[in-house]
Amino acid sequence: GENVEQHPSTLSVQEGDSAVIKCTYSDSASNYFPWYKQELGKRPQLIIDIRSNVGEKKDQRIAVTLNKTAKHFSLHITETQPEDSAVYFCAASNPSSNTGKLIFGQGTTLQVKP
Amino acid sequence: DTGVSQNPRHKITKRGQNVTFRCDPISEHNRLYWYRQTLGQGPEFLTYFQNEAQLEKSRLLSDRFSAERPKGSFSTLEIQRTEQGDSAMYLCASSSSMTGGPLVGTFGSGTRLTVV
Repeated sequence: GENVEQHPSTLSVQEGDSAVIKCTYSDSASNYFPWYKQELGKRPQLIIDIRSNVGEKKDQRIAVTLNKTAKHFSLHITETQPEDSAVYFCAASNPSSNTGKLIFGQGTTLQVKP
Repeated sequence: DTGVSQNPRHKITKRGQNVTFRCDPISEHNRLYWYRQTLGQGPEFLTYFQNEAQLEKSRLLSDRFSAERPKGSFSTLEIQRTEQGDSAMYLCASSSSMTGGPLVGTFGSGTRLTVV
């Protein structure tokens, strides 16, 4: 069935460094890939998304890249700040379901040390 | 705050009892999703509504779970004969198919269920 694998499960960086989180998906028909940030005790919040017709999208310090051939996509955070510390989830959507249902990765706990 | 509203925020129930949660989506959103999230895991899809029609239900969802969206606005999720394994955060999300925006854009704050 549909599956999304996310790595690493935990990531610790120094403030100002870059952080990269990678995801792979199993369903080659997937065409929508959002990323969510979830702070402790709070709801997941959409931070960036990418559709399969583009290979890269950037929003200030956050960027996402997509390699459809390899079926993987990555989140890049530059100039990390302590407030970037949270759990990040990737997800993928298969349009054949016609529902927009998302399959989520297992999450990456990012810790940015001041 | 504005956005997707879920009630109650917390629910503690004894095993075997029935519970019902409510979700009020953003008013113009016709898509409504229920997800379940356990500690340390990503959200897991439960069911999807477009307007009042329930178009998909996870195969993982037992027949103890039922969801409704009778008028295409708010939705309820009921769990009958709760089990300890049902303990989780139940998240509702909504979006609009009209605007071309994110498929699952806005989550509610969730209902945390604890079955004792």
